[in-house]
Amino acid sequence: GAVVSQHPSWVICKSGTSVKIECRSLDFQATTMFWYRQFPKQSLMLMATSNEGSKATYEQGVEKDKFLINHASLTLSTLTVTSAHPEDSSFYICSARTKSYGYTFGSGTRLTVV
Amino acid sequence: LAKTTQPISMDSYEGQEVNITCSHNNIATNDYITWYQQFPSQGPRFIIQGYKTKVTNEVASLFIPADRKSSTLSLPRVSLSDTAVYYCLVGEVESNTGKLIFGQGTTLQVKP
Repeated sequence: GAVVSQHPSWVICKSGTSVKIECRSLDFQATTMFWYRQFPKQSLMLMATSNEGSKATYEQGVEKDKFLINHASLTLSTLTVTSAHPEDSSFYICSARTKSYGYTFGSGTRLTVV
Repeated sequence: LAKTTQPISMDSYEGQEVNITCSHNNIATNDYITWYQQFPSQGPRFIIQGYKTKVTNEVASLFIPADRKSSTLSLPRVSLSDTAVYYCLVGEVESNTGKLIFGQGTTLQVKP
């Protein structure tokens, strides 16, 4: 089946620094990937849609200058949290859609900003 | 995208059958119903998908009445490892937006 690999699984960073999260489709090409964030005890909230070779589409209320998304190849999308602050601490999850396997999710990245 | 309503939480005991119902009154003709499972600190995992009547796979069954305004995920003989959050999603499989919007989900707690 389709596998989406997400790294790192957890990261701790200092306030004001930037953190990059990678999402790779291992055995298929993903022209579109999705990024979610999830706070404790809450559901997944869609942040943006990442399209290979073009700009990402952000959901309302999501700061595009803070959450930089790059989808430079058919197998890799990255989310960079810039100038991170404690309120950005969350669980970030990527997803990709394939015709054969529907939506596949990464294992998630736990970001803690101290 | 059709809005879904699920119970916030459910409790069960090992070995019992669990049925989680999802309401989706505004489901559209082209919409499919999909259920995902999520364990703490993991991404969601696909369980089952259906359009009408009944669908069964190795882990669950999905019952969809004729009017399709609701659906029921049935987990046979649950174990402690089935403790998770279950999400019901409704939408077009091949929609132009391709977005999956998650509702609140149902937290299932399986007790020994």
